Amino acid sequence: DGGITQSPKYLFRKEGQNVTLSCEQNLNHDAMYWYRQDPGQGLRLIYYSQIVNDFQKGDIAEGYSVSREKKESFPLTVTSAQKNPTAFYLCASSIDRGSGETQYFGPGTRLLVL
Amino acid sequence: AQTVTQSQPEMSVQEAETVTLSCTYDTSENNYYLFWYKQPPSRQMILVIRQEAYKQQNATENRFSVNFQKAAKSFSLKISDSQLGDTAMYFCAFMKWGLAGANSKLTFGKGITLSVRP
Repeated sequence: DGGITQSPKYLFRKEGQNVTLSCEQNLNHDAMYWYRQDPGQGLRLIYYSQIVNDFQKGDIAEGYSVSREKKESFPLTVTSAQKNPTAFYLCASSIDRGSGETQYFGPGTRLLVL
Repeated sequence: AQTVTQSQPEMSVQEAETVTLSCTYDTSENNYYLFWYKQPPSRQMILVIRQEAYKQQNATENRFSVNFQKAAKSFSLKISDSQLGDTAMYFCAFMKWGLAGANSKLTFGKGITLSVRP
C-alpha cells in the first residue's frame, strides 16, 4: 500500500527537550511538507522540501528544524526554542511538477508538553 | 499575501439532504488553485475536490461539487445526499500557480465543522 506514515501518534515533550517527529512516504513524491494545526485554526506551513538535501522555511519555522537525507523521509525536530509546541503536526507530500499538485497527508502526530 | 476565510464555524444537515459550505479568499493572483479538504474525527486530511482558477467549469466529484465565482472570489462546496460519513471538519485552501516550491504552499481557512444528523 502506498502512503504516508507518521510516528509516533502521540508524543510528550518535557521542558527544554528536543523531540523529533517522523514522516515517511512510499509514493515516490519529490516534495514533502510539514504543517502545524492548532485548535480552531487551519494548517500553517512550517517547512517544505522539493528535493533531497534541500528544504525551505515556511510561515512558522522558528523553533523547528528539518532534514531531508532521503527522498522517502522528512523528519521534523521541535526544539526547545519553540515555546508553544502543543499542536497537531501533519506531514504531506506531492509530485513536484509545478504548483497545483495535490498534497497527500499522513495521519498526524499529536505533541503535548508535560 | 493570500487569505482564506470560512466564516461559518459549524453547520448541521439532515442525512440525505444537501448542504453548502462557504469559502471566500483574497488574492491578487490571476491563476491559482483551490481545494476542499475533509478532516474526519480520525484527523486524517483527505482531498475532496480541486479547482483550477483558469477553468470556468465547476469541478464535480460524485456527490461533491463546487460553485466557483472568480470575480467574487468565492469557492463554496455543495454536498448532495449527505451521509453520516460526511461528518467532519472541512477546510478550504488556496495555492498559487507557477513553478513548484514556494508556490506549492497551501493557505488554509480555519475550517467548518459539519455534522450530519441521522
